[in-house]
Amino acid sequence: QKEVEQNSGPLSVPEGAIASLNCTYSDRGSQSFFWYRQYSGKSPELIMFIYSNGDKEDGRFTAQLNKASQYVSLLIRDSQPSDSATYLCAVNSGTDKLIFGTGTRLQVFP
Amino acid sequence: EPEVTQTPSHQVTQMGQEVILRCVPISNHLYFYWYRQILGQKVEFLVSFYNNEISEKSEIFDDQFSVERPDGSNFTLKIRSTKLEDSAMYFCASSPDRVGNQPQHFGDGTRLSIL
Repeated sequence: QKEVEQNSGPLSVPEGAIASLNCTYSDRGSQSFFWYRQYSGKSPELIMFIYSNGDKEDGRFTAQLNKASQYVSLLIRDSQPSDSATYLCAVNSGTDKLIFGTGTRLQVFP
Repeated sequence: EPEVTQTPSHQVTQMGQEVILRCVPISNHLYFYWYRQILGQKVEFLVSFYNNEISEKSEIFDDQFSVERPDGSNFTLKIRSTKLEDSAMYFCASSPDRVGNQPQHFGDGTRLSIL
């Protein structure tokens, strides 16, 4: 059974701090990795995707991938209260489907 | 920015009835998907659809479920003889290419409540 694991949180950070969200996956053949943000009662909203080992930056967000350790992370710099949401890690292993983790709830307090 | 649109936003149905959930994928996308999320649980893959046929389905997607692209724009999920445990948010998604190459974009979802 292919699994994606995330700490459910909540992860609480003060406004302006860096939030670090982590995800591990079980399938070593996984090829592409996605971070979605989900506000309560809403749909997943794509933040970033990464295919290659290393870092990928987009504005305040940085995705980090380490395939050897089967680990992907999302850093949010200068965290804002509007970043408070559940962050979903999703993994694709070469088929059509995404396998989602349970998500990490992030709380950014003023 | 183009969006995936889903209707209705909320559907309430008696157990045993049939429901059809509708989706309009992003216009130049070729791959379409349905996912569901039971309250408090993870998002789960149901089915993917490409070139007018199912390309992959999960164990959840049994004979109770079917998908169709009845015209050039709509993509539907039909659930026959609904059960209480079918209550969930159902998300449609689309991508221009297979998810290994391009990310999936999700619609706002349909909340299905089975009474």
